[in-house]
Amino acid sequence: GAGVSQSPSNKVTEKGKDVELRCDPISGHTALYWYRQSLGQGLEFLIYFQGNSAPDKSGLPSDRFSAERTGGSVSTLTIQRTQQEDSAVYLCASSFGSGGSLNEQFFGPGTRLTVL
Amino acid sequence: AQKITQTQPGMFVQEKEAVTLDCTYDTSDPSYGLFWYKQPSSGEMIFLIYQGSYDQQNATEGRYSLNFQKARKSANLVISASQLGDSAMYFCAMRELIRTGANSKLTFGKGITLSVRP
Repeated sequence: GAGVSQSPSNKVTEKGKDVELRCDPISGHTALYWYRQSLGQGLEFLIYFQGNSAPDKSGLPSDRFSAERTGGSVSTLTIQRTQQEDSAVYLCASSFGSGGSLNEQFFGPGTRLTVL
Repeated sequence: AQKITQTQPGMFVQEKEAVTLDCTYDTSDPSYGLFWYKQPSSGEMIFLIYQGSYDQQNATEGRYSLNFQKARKSANLVISASQLGDSAMYFCAMRELIRTGANSKLTFGKGITLSVRP
């Protein structure tokens, strides 16, 4: 498919363990965003990548969260020492650019993380 | 800072009727974009419609139209001829248009649940 893909679709982990979430953006999209959606809530911005530039981490909730983007394409969001409040759906989005008018963000299906 | 407010509780509409989902926003940016996304129970976010702050006409996209009232800072989504498949969560979102980088992130409201009755 040509859309944004994320893996795994579901992840159940124990408190204190580390997890890695993967995002494959649409080919040719230079901008990549991670959002978090807690139960019954809207989406909360976490981090933004533009090409190979240093990411903007202003939305990350704590230093347990980190992300990287290799080769300006695939991105991995890592949560260390997971806590129960980290349980949420993690959504990745990509867009062709980041400024201007529409530059619609296309979303992946998300990874549902459950921390026991 | 930007803020999106969606305060309606769960909405119900009869199949084939029209429904309006409310969205108000607050921003100090002179140039911004407003978006509506649909999130069915499967979880994916589906882009529905976009309105730029300087667009002269209200956006329309098939059965979706956006009632944009700039002075009132509202951007309500109107769905005409509701279908059973329209049952979902609907999110209003906005972002700046001039600056790039993380300022291009979307700010979302908390969403509205729409249920279409047969």
